[in-house]
Amino acid sequence: EADIYQTPRYLVIGTGKKITLECSQTMGHDKMYWYQQDPGMELHLIHYSYGVNSTEKGDLSSESTVSRIRTEHFPLTLESARPSHTSQYLCASSATSRSYNEQFFGPGTRLTVL
Amino acid sequence: AQSVSQHNHHVILSEAASLELGCNYSYGGTVNLFWYVQYPGQHLQLLLKYFSGDPLVKGIKGFEAEFIKSKFSFNLRKPSVQWSDTAEYFCAVVNFGNEKLTFGTGTRLTIIP
Repeated sequence: EADIYQTPRYLVIGTGKKITLECSQTMGHDKMYWYQQDPGMELHLIHYSYGVNSTEKGDLSSESTVSRIRTEHFPLTLESARPSHTSQYLCASSATSRSYNEQFFGPGTRLTVL
Repeated sequence: AQSVSQHNHHVILSEAASLELGCNYSYGGTVNLFWYVQYPGQHLQLLLKYFSGDPLVKGIKGFEAEFIKSKFSFNLRKPSVQWSDTAEYFCAVVNFGNEKLTFGTGTRLTIIP
């Protein structure tokens, strides 16, 4: 079944640790996105990719980095986690073939940095 | 830059009540409009979308939304809500030709049985 997968769903980690949030999709989409969402706030785009080896920063500045080596995989990495990185991270994808930007979302990763 | 306002942060209704959630965006031009819903513990999923044509669009589960260009609005409606509609609802806008969605802050809807 076509879907978007994110792991882990929940992560509690100490300050200074390196973490990677995984996102994979079996939708066959070429575009992928990472959003950050704090409780009661809107989703903010932090990274996006139009295809393999393409990555761009979004509207919200983030200390995280991303890579797109395979079409279906779009991991997000924090080299040194801090309490200010505590948030929910949502991955999404969409297809270029569509004339509109309908995005499909994964279940999210809730990150807590102590 | 585009911005999206959802005026109702938390709405509490009884079952069978009618629902209208407001959504306004700031920047004109040709836009594509979306309502997403997030049920407790589930993915954010598309409820309905507007791209062109009839400004009254119908989505899943009896929801509909009306695009009023002159008011920069895309309000979500449902004539009779159910307990299962309890969820968080997000309005989103993308300007035609732009790849990026701009989301509102969301409205938490609680339906009392």
